[in-house]
Amino acid sequence: GDSVTQMEGPVTLSEEAFLTINCTYTATGYPSLFWYVQYPGEGLQLLLKATKADDKGSNKGFEATYRKETTSFHLEKGSVQVSDSAVYFCALKEGAQKLVFGQGTRLTINP
Amino acid sequence: ETGVTQSPTHLIKTRGQQVTLRCSSQSGHNTVSWYQQALGQGPQFIFQYYREEENGRGNFPPRFSGLQFPNYSSELNVNALELDDSALYLCASSTGQPSTNEKLFFGSGTQLSVL
Repeated sequence: GDSVTQMEGPVTLSEEAFLTINCTYTATGYPSLFWYVQYPGEGLQLLLKATKADDKGSNKGFEATYRKETTSFHLEKGSVQVSDSAVYFCALKEGAQKLVFGQGTRLTINP
Repeated sequence: ETGVTQSPTHLIKTRGQQVTLRCSSQSGHNTVSWYQQALGQGPQFIFQYYREEENGRGNFPPRFSGLQFPNYSSELNVNALELDDSALYLCASSTGQPSTNEKLFFGSGTQLSVL
């Protein structure tokens, strides 16, 4: 089946630093790709998505580009804030029903 | 606020027991999916219900079963609990056709501990 691999965490940065969280996938075809974020005590929330190659998803200053050549969907943000501290999950849609998630990357931003 | 409510928030059971977890979705959300999230891992797909019928299943044994009701609520039932069933169970709902809808609304989950 399809799979998603994320960079190992946890990641700790200072406020205003540049963020990259790597994500690569293995899939048949070209699935839609997603980043979800999980804040403490809350459910997962969709952060951004891309549905085809070279699409760029963006939201709240975060961006990720669907790269089929490298089967990657890395998450980036130019200047992180303390409020960005959360667990980030990369995911793809397999078939008509299911999301396949990576293991998650815990991000902590220090003031 | 996603509009998806799960209950209870925490639950402790012993091995061999049965458990029912509940989820209440927003009005009009005709698709519900359940995921299991083990500690330090990403969520894993258990199954999906669309218009009260099972519409897909992941690699989980038959002792994991579900129901979806006309009032947009749903249940996850697990029989003969095992220690490895200890996890956070997430419910996610959405509108429209499952094959085309790509925005899921997740609840905060039920943390199940099996002793």
